[in-house]
Amino acid sequence: NAGVTQTPKFQVLKTGQSMTLQCAQDMNHNSMYWYRQDPGMGLRLIYYSASEGTTDKGEVPNGYNVSRLNKREFSLRLESAAPSQTSVYFCASSGGGAGGQPQHFGDGTRLSIL
Amino acid sequence: AQSVTQPDIHITVSEGASLELRCNYSYGATPYLFWYVQSPGQGLQLLLKYFSGDTLVQGIKGFEAEFKRSQSSFNLRKPSVHWSDAAEYFCAVGPRDFNKFYFGSGTKLNVKP
Repeated sequence: NAGVTQTPKFQVLKTGQSMTLQCAQDMNHNSMYWYRQDPGMGLRLIYYSASEGTTDKGEVPNGYNVSRLNKREFSLRLESAAPSQTSVYFCASSGGGAGGQPQHFGDGTRLSIL
Repeated sequence: AQSVTQPDIHITVSEGASLELRCNYSYGATPYLFWYVQSPGQGLQLLLKYFSGDTLVQGIKGFEAEFKRSQSSFNLRKPSVHWSDAAEYFCAVGPRDFNKFYFGSGTKLNVKP
Protein backbone atom coordinates (compact mmCIF):
# COMPACT_ATOMS: atom_id res chain seq x y z
CA ASN A 1 0.00 0.00 0.00
CA ALA A 2 2.16 2.86 -1.30
CA GLY A 3 -0.17 5.80 -0.58
CA VAL A 4 1.45 8.99 -1.91
CA THR A 5 4.76 8.58 -3.74
CA GLN A 6 7.05 11.50 -4.51
CA THR A 7 10.08 11.49 -6.78
CA PRO A 8 12.86 12.38 -6.49
CA LYS A 9 13.58 12.40 -2.75
CA PHE A 10 16.55 14.77 -3.07
CA GLN A 11 17.68 17.16 -5.77
CA VAL A 12 20.29 19.89 -6.16
CA LEU A 13 19.82 22.45 -8.91
CA LYS A 14 21.67 25.49 -10.14
CA THR A 15 19.89 28.82 -10.36
CA GLY A 16 17.96 29.05 -13.61
CA GLN A 17 17.60 25.32 -14.18
CA SER A 18 14.19 23.75 -14.56
CA MET A 19 12.80 20.69 -12.88
CA THR A 20 9.58 18.74 -12.42
CA LEU A 21 8.65 17.09 -9.13
CA GLN A 22 6.45 14.06 -9.55
CA CYS A 23 3.64 12.86 -7.29
CA ALA A 24 1.37 9.85 -7.61
CA GLN A 25 -1.31 8.45 -5.31
CA ASP A 26 -2.97 5.05 -5.39
CA MET A 27 -5.95 5.78 -3.11
CA ASN A 28 -8.33 6.92 -5.84
CA HIS A 29 -8.44 10.38 -4.26
CA ASN A 30 -10.03 13.28 -6.09
CA SER A 31 -7.96 16.11 -4.60
CA MET A 32 -4.22 16.62 -4.67
CA TYR A 33 -1.99 19.33 -3.23
CA TRP A 34 1.54 20.69 -3.34
CA TYR A 35 3.04 22.35 -0.25
CA ARG A 36 6.41 23.74 0.61
CA GLN A 37 7.81 23.53 4.13
CA ASP A 38 10.29 26.07 5.40
CA PRO A 39 11.66 26.31 8.96
CA GLY A 40 9.30 28.14 11.28
CA MET A 41 6.65 28.62 8.61
CA GLY A 42 4.76 25.35 8.64
CA LEU A 43 3.33 24.15 5.38
CA ARG A 44 2.28 26.64 2.74
CA LEU A 45 0.01 25.63 -0.11
CA ILE A 46 1.48 26.21 -3.57
CA TYR A 47 -1.21 24.74 -5.83
CA TYR A 48 -4.03 22.29 -5.49
CA SER A 49 -6.27 20.27 -7.74
CA ALA A 50 -9.81 19.64 -6.55
CA SER A 51 -10.41 17.05 -9.22
CA GLU A 52 -8.92 15.70 -12.40
CA GLY A 53 -8.69 18.48 -14.97
CA THR A 54 -8.72 21.40 -12.53
CA THR A 55 -5.96 23.27 -10.77
CA ASP A 56 -5.95 26.38 -8.58
CA LYS A 57 -3.41 28.63 -6.95
CA GLY A 58 -2.70 28.38 -3.27
CA GLU A 59 -0.91 30.78 -0.97
CA VAL A 60 2.52 30.86 -2.70
CA PRO A 61 2.15 29.98 -6.41
CA ASN A 62 4.68 32.37 -7.94
CA GLY A 63 7.52 30.60 -9.75
CA TYR A 64 5.66 27.30 -10.02
CA ASN A 65 3.37 25.52 -12.45
CA VAL A 66 1.40 22.33 -12.01
CA SER A 67 -0.19 19.65 -14.15
CA ARG A 68 -2.88 17.20 -13.10
CA LEU A 69 -1.94 14.55 -15.59
CA ASN A 70 -4.71 12.14 -14.57
CA LYS A 71 -6.48 11.21 -11.37
CA ARG A 72 -3.36 9.59 -9.93
CA GLU A 73 -0.64 12.08 -10.84
CA PHE A 74 0.00 15.72 -9.98
CA SER A 75 3.32 17.28 -10.96
CA LEU A 76 5.00 20.52 -9.87
CA ARG A 77 7.34 22.34 -12.21
CA LEU A 78 9.95 24.97 -11.50
CA GLU A 79 10.67 26.69 -14.81
CA SER A 80 13.64 28.76 -13.67
CA ALA A 81 14.78 27.76 -10.20
CA ALA A 82 15.78 30.43 -7.70
CA PRO A 83 17.59 30.07 -4.34
CA SER A 84 14.39 31.20 -2.59
CA GLN A 85 12.77 27.98 -3.79
CA THR A 86 15.14 25.88 -1.68
CA SER A 87 12.70 23.98 0.50
CA VAL A 88 11.12 20.65 1.28
CA TYR A 89 8.17 19.98 -1.00
CA PHE A 90 5.27 17.76 0.03
CA CYS A 91 2.54 16.32 -2.09
CA ALA A 92 -0.73 15.31 -0.46
CA SER A 93 -4.03 13.84 -1.52
CA SER A 94 -7.51 13.58 -0.03
CA GLY A 95 -10.94 12.35 -0.95
CA GLY A 96 -11.99 15.95 -1.50
CA GLY A 97 -15.40 17.55 -1.49
CA ALA A 98 -17.46 18.17 1.60
CA GLY A 99 -16.85 15.91 4.54
CA GLY A 100 -13.51 17.04 5.91
CA GLN A 101 -11.50 14.11 4.71
CA PRO A 102 -7.91 14.42 5.94
CA GLN A 103 -4.89 14.65 3.71
CA HIS A 104 -2.38 11.90 3.17
CA PHE A 105 1.21 13.02 2.63
CA GLY A 106 4.21 11.76 0.73
CA ASP A 107 7.66 11.68 2.32
CA GLY A 108 8.77 14.89 0.63
CA THR A 109 11.34 16.10 -1.90
CA ARG A 110 14.30 17.99 -0.48
CA LEU A 111 15.32 20.57 -3.06
CA SER A 112 18.42 22.76 -2.87
CA ILE A 113 19.07 25.52 -5.36
CA LEU A 114 22.56 26.92 -5.53
CA ALA B 1 -8.79 35.49 6.99
CA GLN B 2 -8.10 31.98 8.10
CA SER B 3 -5.10 31.40 10.31
CA VAL B 4 -3.71 28.86 12.70
CA THR B 5 -1.42 29.76 15.59
CA GLN B 6 0.78 27.39 17.48
CA PRO B 7 2.38 29.66 20.09
CA ASP B 8 5.05 27.22 21.24
CA ILE B 9 7.90 26.68 18.78
CA HIS B 10 9.79 24.23 21.00
CA ILE B 11 8.67 22.25 24.02
CA THR B 12 10.77 19.90 26.15
CA VAL B 13 9.16 17.43 28.54
CA SER B 14 10.50 14.53 30.57
CA GLU B 15 9.56 11.03 29.59
CA GLY B 16 6.47 9.99 31.50
CA ALA B 17 5.29 13.56 32.03
CA SER B 18 2.06 14.92 30.60
CA LEU B 19 1.95 17.02 27.45
CA GLU B 20 -0.24 19.77 26.10
CA LEU B 21 0.39 21.46 22.75
CA ARG B 22 -1.60 24.57 22.03
CA CYS B 23 -3.44 25.49 18.85
CA ASN B 24 -5.64 28.50 18.23
CA TYR B 25 -7.43 29.22 14.99
CA SER B 26 -9.18 32.09 13.33
CA TYR B 27 -12.02 31.08 11.09
CA GLY B 28 -15.43 32.38 10.12
CA ALA B 29 -17.29 29.22 11.06
CA THR B 30 -16.55 26.00 12.84
CA PRO B 31 -13.93 24.32 10.71
CA TYR B 32 -12.69 20.80 10.55
CA LEU B 33 -9.68 20.50 12.85
CA PHE B 34 -6.71 18.18 12.63
CA TRP B 35 -3.46 17.35 14.33
CA TYR B 36 -0.57 15.85 12.38
CA VAL B 37 2.82 14.54 13.50
CA GLN B 38 6.02 14.68 11.48
CA SER B 39 9.06 12.58 12.34
CA PRO B 40 12.43 13.72 10.95
CA GLY B 41 12.73 13.12 7.23
CA GLN B 42 9.14 11.94 6.95
CA GLY B 43 5.84 13.27 5.71
CA LEU B 44 2.97 14.21 7.98
CA GLN B 45 0.84 11.54 9.65
CA LEU B 46 -2.68 12.20 10.89
CA LEU B 47 -3.05 11.89 14.68
CA LEU B 48 -6.69 12.85 15.06
CA LYS B 49 -9.49 14.97 13.66
CA TYR B 50 -12.55 16.83 14.86
CA PHE B 51 -15.65 17.19 12.74
CA SER B 52 -18.58 17.58 15.13
CA GLY B 53 -20.16 16.11 18.22
CA ASP B 54 -18.10 15.24 21.27
CA THR B 55 -15.52 17.96 21.76
CA LEU B 56 -12.94 15.54 23.14
CA VAL B 57 -11.52 13.37 20.39
CA GLN B 58 -9.21 10.43 20.67
CA GLY B 59 -6.43 9.70 18.23
CA ILE B 60 -3.64 7.29 17.59
CA LYS B 61 -0.62 6.75 19.85
CA GLY B 62 -2.57 7.74 22.98
CA PHE B 63 -3.17 11.35 21.94
CA GLU B 64 -6.37 13.29 22.48
CA ALA B 65 -7.51 16.81 21.68
CA GLU B 66 -10.25 19.05 22.97
CA PHE B 67 -12.17 21.54 20.86
CA LYS B 68 -13.21 24.67 22.74
CA ARG B 69 -15.38 26.87 20.57
CA SER B 70 -15.39 29.80 23.00
CA GLN B 71 -11.60 29.93 22.93
CA SER B 72 -11.13 28.96 19.27
CA SER B 73 -8.70 26.34 20.46
CA PHE B 74 -7.93 22.73 19.70
CA ASN B 75 -5.17 21.67 22.10
CA LEU B 76 -3.43 18.32 21.85
CA ARG B 77 -2.76 16.30 24.99
CA LYS B 78 -1.10 13.10 26.10
CA PRO B 79 -1.09 11.86 29.72
CA SER B 80 2.36 10.24 29.60
CA VAL B 81 4.94 11.04 26.94
CA HIS B 82 7.24 8.39 25.49
CA TRP B 83 10.67 9.05 23.97
CA SER B 84 9.28 8.00 20.59
CA ASP B 85 6.88 10.97 20.68
CA ALA B 86 9.75 13.34 19.93
CA ALA B 87 8.73 14.93 16.63
CA GLU B 88 7.15 18.05 15.20
CA TYR B 89 3.41 18.52 15.58
CA PHE B 90 1.17 20.53 13.29
CA CYS B 91 -2.35 21.78 13.84
CA ALA B 92 -4.48 22.31 10.74
CA VAL B 93 -7.92 23.70 9.96
CA GLY B 94 -10.07 23.25 6.91
CA PRO B 95 -13.41 24.55 5.70
CA ARG B 96 -16.50 22.40 5.67
CA ASP B 97 -17.14 22.90 1.97
CA PHE B 98 -13.78 21.84 0.64
CA ASN B 99 -10.57 20.28 1.84
CA LYS B 100 -8.27 23.28 1.54
CA PHE B 101 -6.24 23.25 4.70
CA TYR B 102 -4.30 25.83 6.67
CA PHE B 103 -1.43 24.68 8.83
CA GLY B 104 0.17 26.17 11.90
CA SER B 105 3.92 26.71 11.99
CA GLY B 106 4.48 23.62 14.11
CA THR B 107 5.72 22.75 17.60
CA LYS B 108 8.88 20.68 18.01
CA LEU B 109 8.70 18.31 20.94
CA ASN B 110 11.85 17.09 22.67
CA VAL B 111 11.60 14.32 25.25
CA LYS B 112 14.18 14.10 28.04
CA PRO B 113 15.03 10.64 29.34
